[in-house]
Amino acid sequence: GAVVSQHPSRVICKSGTSVKIECRSLDFQATTMFWYRQFPKQSLMLMATSNEGSKATYEQGVEKDKFLINHASLTLSTLTVTSAHPEDSSFYICSARRGWVRGEAFFGQGTRLTVV
Amino acid sequence: AQTVTQSQPEMSVQEAETVTLSCTYDTSESNYYLFWYKQPPSRQMILVIRQEAYKQQNATENRFSVNFQKAAKSFSLKISDSQLGDTAMYFCAFMLKETSGSRLTFGEGTQLTVNP
Repeated sequence: GAVVSQHPSRVICKSGTSVKIECRSLDFQATTMFWYRQFPKQSLMLMATSNEGSKATYEQGVEKDKFLINHASLTLSTLTVTSAHPEDSSFYICSARRGWVRGEAFFGQGTRLTVV
Repeated sequence: AQTVTQSQPEMSVQEAETVTLSCTYDTSESNYYLFWYKQPPSRQMILVIRQEAYKQQNATENRFSVNFQKAAKSFSLKISDSQLGDTAMYFCAFMLKETSGSRLTFGEGTQLTVNP
């Protein structure tokens, strides 16, 4: 199966700093990548959808200046949380789709962000 | 807009027994996919089973099978011969069969515990 690698798996940062999370498709080209946020014992909340070489489409209520998404290549998308605050602490998950192969999306391992 | 509802926040089952998780959805579209994803304590999202709406035959994957009732907009997951490793959060998800940018809409999740 297709593999999506997300890095780092855990990160702790100080309030006011920025942190970057990487999402890589290791063995396929990802035409579309998705970023989710998940609170404890809750479902995945879609933050944004990104296509290679174009600007990300953000969901309503998600601050695009705070959560910068870059999908610079067919194998890499990054999420940068800028000027992080404790309320940004959460579990962030990326997923990638390779064209339209039975609609399946492959998920990264997730990143637990703690802002102190 | 599409919605997915899982009405069972928590369920438990004895090892080797069978359990059914419920899912209903709402859409006015006719061409779509339905999925069940599993999220174990590691929080890695794992695809359990996929169903294409135009296929009347219920999908099966080893011990996992679905009961897809398109008219009733119901998509339940049956796990046979439950194993301890099946303990996880299970999410039902819907996706329109449009483009590679189509998003997954997740239900709230059902926490399944398999007891020894």
